[in-house]
Amino acid sequence: KAGVTQTPRYLIKTRGQQVTLSCSPISGHRSVSWYQQTPGQGLQFLFEYFSETQRNKGNFPGRFSGRQFSNSRSEMNVSTLELGDSALYLCASRETTYEQYFGPGTRLTVT
Amino acid sequence: QQPVQSPQAVILREGEDAVINCSSSKALYSVHWYRQKHGEAPVFLMILLKGGEQKGHEKISASFNEKKQQSSLYLTASQLSYSGTYFCGTEKAYNAGNMLTFGGGTRLMVKP
Repeated sequence: KAGVTQTPRYLIKTRGQQVTLSCSPISGHRSVSWYQQTPGQGLQFLFEYFSETQRNKGNFPGRFSGRQFSNSRSEMNVSTLELGDSALYLCASRETTYEQYFGPGTRLTVT
Repeated sequence: QQPVQSPQAVILREGEDAVINCSSSKALYSVHWYRQKHGEAPVFLMILLKGGEQKGHEKISASFNEKKQQSSLYLTASQLSYSGTYFCGTEKAYNAGNMLTFGGGTRLMVKP
């Protein structure tokens, strides 16, 4: 099976702009989670979608949002970008209660 | 509250062994272990579930002490390819959704 894919791999945006990141899970995986990774805060959970519904949400401001489509593909959106949003955004998919697999990530730089 | 990993960093020579620990102050349902190399995504190594079930790569071993809410990852006969940052991720409840809380990571460097 193909792995988790994320697009784009790199993004440079300006403060105040918004950005949309995309994630395609492994075929058959209905759970998609998003994580933010920064040197200072480490790996932090953003939110999880399962069957097009947000099932869990981390402690991030409302500027961070997401959605999942009927084919399990997911997008996350960050509005009004701030310098502190610069990070590696990782998507992970999971079939059941076992292992989850990460995508290669999207490196977002906010200038 | 995120789990605490120890040590924060370790340097090994090829062939040496290492143990990485992960402790949580809350009751856990599962512990997940990942390795991340610089510039790459975390790679799944092992999952340990409450009740003793485990699933992971053959060459990786780990333990989960449910009473102490601690997990340990055992790296034996280390190879250069073992270098990277190891993360543990924890889940508090069964079927609560896919929401892992990760520790701060342990940097492992294996030297020739």
